[in-house]
Amino acid sequence: SQELEQSPQSLIVQEGKNLTINCTSSKTLYGLYWYKQKYGEGLIFLMMLQKGGEEKSHEKITAKLDEKKQQSSLHITASQPSHAGIYLCGADKGGSSNTGKLIFGQGTTLQVKP
Amino acid sequence: DTGVSQDPRHKITKRGQNVTFRCDPISEHNRLYWYRQTLGQGPEFLTYFQNEAQLEKSRLLSDRFSAERPKGSFSTLEIQRTEQGDSAMYLCASIRSSGTPRANVLTFGAGSRLTVL
Repeated sequence: SQELEQSPQSLIVQEGKNLTINCTSSKTLYGLYWYKQKYGEGLIFLMMLQKGGEEKSHEKITAKLDEKKQQSSLHITASQPSHAGIYLCGADKGGSSNTGKLIFGQGTTLQVKP
Repeated sequence: DTGVSQDPRHKITKRGQNVTFRCDPISEHNRLYWYRQTLGQGPEFLTYFQNEAQLEKSRLLSDRFSAERPKGSFSTLEIQRTEQGDSAMYLCASIRSSGTPRANVLTFGAGSRLTVL
């Protein structure tokens, strides 16, 4: 079965610094989702990547899917306290089929110090 | 569109009691999912519905768990004879199963946190 491994598990950065979170899959990714979660709350969708080499940006967050479609990275530029939270990568268990049954990595907890 | 609503947000119960969670999906979404998330882990898929039909149940869903979605609208997740190991966040999500790829992104509710004493 497919597994997603995120690194690092936790991260503390000074406000204004850049950071990168990685997500590595044991199998080819046909769709990779990035979500953000505030502690004790639900998941907020950030971005979805489908094609090898694809890159998407929203505000100061950029996500990339490598050419081999087995690794994704999430990069935050000039971090702010509002970026703090848990970042989760997810992939559809159905592979190329959009089943909605996602497997998730264990999450990366980000703290941003003012 | 008010998003996915879950109720209650928090529930504390004693071991052996039954609990029920409710989820109201986005109105035009025909698929509804339940996930469970324990502390420090990502969410795990439990079950999902297309309209009123329950199409799949994960092996994580023991016989003490039952989910329904009468009339294809809201859904309930009931846990009977709760155990301490059931303590977790129960997340509901919905999706419109047809349409553009962007339409296939799960929208999650805020979750129902269960604590079993």
